[in-house]
Amino acid sequence: GQNIDQPTEMTATEGAIVQINCTYQTSGFNGLFWYQQHAGEAPTFLSYNVLDGLEEKGRFSSFLSRSKGYSYLLLKELQMKDSASYLCAVKDSDYKLSFGAGTTVTVRA
Amino acid sequence: GAVVSQHPSWVICKSGTSVKIECRSLDFQATTMFWYRQFPKQSLMLMATSNEGSKATYEQGVEKDKFLINHASLTLSTLTVTSAHPEDSSFYICSARGLAGRGSDTQYFGPGTRLTVL
Repeated sequence: GQNIDQPTEMTATEGAIVQINCTYQTSGFNGLFWYQQHAGEAPTFLSYNVLDGLEEKGRFSSFLSRSKGYSYLLLKELQMKDSASYLCAVKDSDYKLSFGAGTTVTVRA
Repeated sequence: GAVVSQHPSWVICKSGTSVKIECRSLDFQATTMFWYRQFPKQSLMLMATSNEGSKATYEQGVEKDKFLINHASLTLSTLTVTSAHPEDSSFYICSARGLAGRGSDTQYFGPGTRLTVL
């Protein structure tokens, strides 16, 4: 089966940096995604990693280490609107996505 | 680009009735669409994979006779919850497989449908 772990909650102040870790053990690996989901809404695509290393996209960066089964999403210059759930998802050998339970990030003023 | 719509956004129905949810890819063709269910404060659970022109593939534990999926065209998939019961109340989200660049694909999600069964 698929096992994807990420912390349940994180709190940070506006302007700070937060790093959300994700570890995975899956049958097959064809990439790792990070999605943002606001309450009551569908997830929106943030980033995709298939090779080891760091992918930077504005205030958000994502890192992958396939040998360690590890990824993180880095949120910089936090804004209040960044308060949301962040989902780590792994695409397996069948090209299906398996999601972690999500990390709820709360940004405080 | 890569916009996916769902209709309806929310629906309330009586126990025993059937509800149909539509998922459309608006600006791209999606040979594969996925249906997820999400209970409060839980992550998305894949219910089934829908391929255009063929039968859907259901995940273990999902009743295919209860959750009917039809993928009649490259831009439309429907999920029908038959004989709905209160325990079927959930947030149903579809996604469509599209290109994310670099030769790889990702899934673009619809806005979701909140189903409440009384």
